[in-house]
Amino acid sequence: DAGVIQSPRHEVTEMGQEVTLRCKPISGHDYLFWYRQTMMRGLELLIYFNNNVPIDDSGMPEDRFSAKMPNASFSTLKIQPSEPRDSAVYFCASSSPVTYEQYFGPGTRLTVT
Amino acid sequence: GDSVTQMEGPVTLSEEACLTINCTYTATGYPSLFWYVQYPGEGLQLLLKATKADDKGSNKGFEATYRKETTSFHLEKGSVQVSDSAVYFCALNQAGTALIFGKGTTLSVSS
Repeated sequence: DAGVIQSPRHEVTEMGQEVTLRCKPISGHDYLFWYRQTMMRGLELLIYFNNNVPIDDSGMPEDRFSAKMPNASFSTLKIQPSEPRDSAVYFCASSSPVTYEQYFGPGTRLTVT
Repeated sequence: GDSVTQMEGPVTLSEEACLTINCTYTATGYPSLFWYVQYPGEGLQLLLKATKADDKGSNKGFEATYRKETTSFHLEKGSVQVSDSAVYFCALNQAGTALIFGKGTTLSVSS
């Protein structure tokens, strides 16, 4: 299996622009998580899905952030409009309902100028 | 709520030295415990896990034992290598929920 796939790996954008991050989970995994990593706050959950349904979005910073999972093999995290404080590494992870082990993608490094 | 506390870094060791990174947790019920490792510029990799009290997780020479009486899950390795240099995260979750991470401990091993 290719593991969790994220794109793009790096994104540089200007303040106010829309940013879309993409994730393909491991086949057969029915949990999908979005995390954000910053120096100040460490790793924090943004949102997670089970069977394509959002279960906990309490970590989504504000209405500028939205996430979707239209099918079992694809999810997006959108920021509109982006701000410099959104600069971070965004990780997607997936897990199976048997082991609950989470496997992480390589991350998207977002820089908002 | 649930939380994880791990020792502050950085930890600097010479090759072949012994490693211990302390991790304690606060949680209701019986969470699963994990250690993840992050190499520079990469995502997190699952290093080892334990799902119940007294379980020992092990991988690549690293070990950690789930101690419910002390609510701890310390990471140990008997002889570190330069290639072990990375950031190590202790984490927990309740079944089917998101991971809660410690702040991470940076390990630097010199030859």
